Amino acid sequence: DAMVIQNPRYQVTQFGKPVTLSCSQTLNHNVMYWYQQKSSQAPKLLFHYYDKDFNNEADTPDNFQSRRPNTSFCFLDIRSPGLGDAAMYLCATSSVQGVRGTEAFFGQGTRLTVV
Amino acid sequence: AQSVTQPDIHITVSEGASLELRCNYSYGATPYLFWYVQSPGQGLQLLLKYFSGDTLVQGIKGFEAEFKRSQSSFNLRKPSVHWSDAAEYFCAVGPRFSGGYNKLIFGAGTRLAVHP
Repeated sequence: DAMVIQNPRYQVTQFGKPVTLSCSQTLNHNVMYWYQQKSSQAPKLLFHYYDKDFNNEADTPDNFQSRRPNTSFCFLDIRSPGLGDAAMYLCATSSVQGVRGTEAFFGQGTRLTVV
Repeated sequence: AQSVTQPDIHITVSEGASLELRCNYSYGATPYLFWYVQSPGQGLQLLLKYFSGDTLVQGIKGFEAEFKRSQSSFNLRKPSVHWSDAAEYFCAVGPRFSGGYNKLIFGAGTRLAVHP
């Protein structure tokens, strides 16, 4: 089945040690998103890629970066994770069709723990 | 400012009872509207969406939602709740005329508990 796959499902990293989260999709969608969801909170958009164009939300910390080497893959890099970065990270995709877009399809998420 | 309000943080219903989860939004123009469900430790699953047309939309798992433009609301309903419906429910809005981007703004969520 076509889907959005996030790896790993659970990631433990040390304070200050760079970490990369992975997202792949078989939907061939041209837009990919990264959301951060802290415990008992709503998901919050960090950034998105429209094809190769990177779009950062204004309040996304510089500590967070992203790469999209091709249509199928997108990575979230946290350069120096702090305790406050512990969260569920959700990848999503959608397809632009003219001036409309499809709904977002979400992966299962990666639960990041910082120790 | 753009925002989504889900006034009920927690709701508990008995199995078989009806359910209504409230959602109000503040947005510059009528947005796309969505309801997502999230089970513990899982990603988000789309229940239903409203883009245009009939303001009563049907979704998966027996859910429906009604868009009321005059009230800026998009309430989710189910006539008979099953124990497996226990989860967190998020209402979300997305821009309608931004080239199709799905930059969703989520409400804070409503956690649903179901009594047997």
